[in-house]
Amino acid sequence: SQQGEEDPQALSIQEGENATMNCSYKTSINNLQWYRQNSGRGLVHLILIRSNEREKHSGRLRVTLDTSKKSSSLLITASRAADTASYFCATKAAGNKLTFGGGTRVLVKP
Amino acid sequence: AAGVIQSPRHLIKEKRETATLKCYPIPRHDTVYWYQQGPGQDPQFLISFYEKMQSDKGSIPDRFSAQQFSDYHSELNMSSLELGDSALYFCASSPADLRGGGTYEQYFGPGTRLTVT
Repeated sequence: SQQGEEDPQALSIQEGENATMNCSYKTSINNLQWYRQNSGRGLVHLILIRSNEREKHSGRLRVTLDTSKKSSSLLITASRAADTASYFCATKAAGNKLTFGGGTRVLVKP
Repeated sequence: AAGVIQSPRHLIKEKRETATLKCYPIPRHDTVYWYQQGPGQDPQFLISFYEKMQSDKGSIPDRFSAQQFSDYHSELNMSSLELGDSALYFCASSPADLRGGGTYEQYFGPGTRLTVT
């Protein structure tokens, strides 16, 4: 099964609302990263949180990491229609590869 | 700022043909990664290179091979193509994580959409 799994799989909200999505993983990690992907397009890096960090902010994004529970959350505040995309978490353990979760499809309705 | 460049952006091949995808990393990034994303799936790591040497290997079929050249660009060669190879192929680059601190993010290219008919 996948290293990272996301919850929920899909999320529909109104513009201005907050969107929260969660990611769980199975093994020890060096860092966890969140990416955004617009339909069928490239992956855009949003934020990286290291294993020794618990919370990180970047603009309207807030990421938490709980290594004891092997989980992370991504909060998008004051969502905009342009935030409509799929959001993936990806973990980096030993080695170079990123292991991606299943992704959360977010629809922000104007 | 310069980004990762991938070519071609779209490629249509028939079964049993071969395909070559190219990736040009961000300047001064010496590590290149290849990922495959099937329709409706999450990206899966294929292979990575650091300083022209393979540094990590994932679920890359034996029909696929890759290399990194002296100018750090990389090519993914795919032979005996199958219908199931239809996917988005992403290349990413980063500086080398020599100390293993896991602090470097990977920057992804726009992807090559391969369609096998």
